[in-house]
Amino acid sequence: DGGITQSPKYLFRKEGQNVTLSCEQNLNHDAMYWYRQDPGQGLRLIYYSQIVNDFQKGDIAEGYSVSREKKESFPLTVTSAQKNPTAFYLCASSIFRSSGANVLTFGAGSRLTVL
Amino acid sequence: LAKTTQPISMDSYEGQEVNITCSHNNIATNDYITWYQQFPSQGPRFIIQGYKTKVTNEVASLFIPADRKSSTLSLPRVSLSDTAVYYCPEGAGNMLTFGGGTRLMVKP
Repeated sequence: DGGITQSPKYLFRKEGQNVTLSCEQNLNHDAMYWYRQDPGQGLRLIYYSQIVNDFQKGDIAEGYSVSREKKESFPLTVTSAQKNPTAFYLCASSIFRSSGANVLTFGAGSRLTVL
Repeated sequence: LAKTTQPISMDSYEGQEVNITCSHNNIATNDYITWYQQFPSQGPRFIIQGYKTKVTNEVASLFIPADRKSSTLSLPRVSLSDTAVYYCPEGAGNMLTFGGGTRLMVKP
């Protein structure tokens, strides 16, 4: 089945540690995205990538880093510079469109808790 | 980039039709309107898309007036399993901005 796989589903981190969240898709989608969701809130865009080896900052990129070395993979690193990293992280992908609707397919999410 | 505006929450009862309206005051000419559904601790799921007039699929209908400044998601005969948060994200090219969504509670 095609889809997006995020891992781990749950992750605990001590303050001061970097952690990397994995996101893999087999949908042959060009664009990939990382969103953060806090309890009871909407989604906020962290980073997005439209093609391999290229990515752009979203609304809340500070304290995060990404890479896009392969079309299928878009890992997110939450660095120690992120002051409040406890949140639900969602990865998504879509076909790159110059026109028409941008329909995102989301993964199941990774819940990060800082102890 | 201003986000879309939609009600924070709505209550309904099983079997009723639910209409959720979203304001798209800054929609661009080339932007399509999309709606997503999210259950707790899951990623959002795409429901429906449209550009203007009315679109219907097996899940919902989407009504978009001629000026495209708003859209209305219509869920026919809701059930308890339709309890979720519904989003109408603002589109800017290939980047979607999600607001807080509308929390729909369906009661028995």
